[in-house]
Amino acid sequence: NAGVTQTPKFQVLKTGQSMTLQCAQDMNHEYMSWYRQDPGMGLRLIHYSVGAGITDQGEVPNGYNVSRSTTEDFPLRLLSAAPSQTSVYFCASSYSPSEQYFGPGTRLTVT
Amino acid sequence: GENVEQHPSTLSVQEGDSAVIKCTYSDSASNYFPWYKQELGKRPQLIIDIRSNVGEKKDQRIAVTLNKTAKHFSLHITETQPEDSAVYFCAASKGNSGYALNFGKGTSLLVTP
Repeated sequence: NAGVTQTPKFQVLKTGQSMTLQCAQDMNHEYMSWYRQDPGMGLRLIHYSVGAGITDQGEVPNGYNVSRSTTEDFPLRLLSAAPSQTSVYFCASSYSPSEQYFGPGTRLTVT
Repeated sequence: GENVEQHPSTLSVQEGDSAVIKCTYSDSASNYFPWYKQELGKRPQLIIDIRSNVGEKKDQRIAVTLNKTAKHFSLHITETQPEDSAVYFCAASKGNSGYALNFGKGTSLLVTP
């Protein structure tokens, strides 16, 4: 099992550009989440999904879109990147109210 | 929104001493409370978790206690070692869902030899 994978590892965007952060898991987990991590702020929940076709907003959803068309994939879309979205992004998945498996993260810089 | 407060933000102990990190939460529906360890540049990794029907859980040198009435939970690390140095995050489930978490802001633990 590859576990939770994220691509790309690093990305630099200009303000106003759009992009998609990819997240995939091969553990057949129903539940997947996106977090962002900023220095001194811990991890903040952006969006989450409880299964294919079902998503909901977390603490900081503005500027981000998600969809869940398959159990395996949960991409995060930045519609119009802003410098405030410079952060490290982690995707996580779990099969029950239990251990969340985190991906390796994507370090995003918006200039 | 739901809040998880974590203290202290930094903690320095000598090798062999104990370390205690405390968290409080505001969502009375939370029923799952994990603790994560994150080393520099790496992903968070679960070290221990506790559910609301349990007051204490122990795994070797690590223990977690939960007081649902007071809405606080704590991480205890005994006989600390230099490799315990990392940032530790507490979290509480978003309502009773369990799979979406609200995190504390982290405690940077330094264990000096």
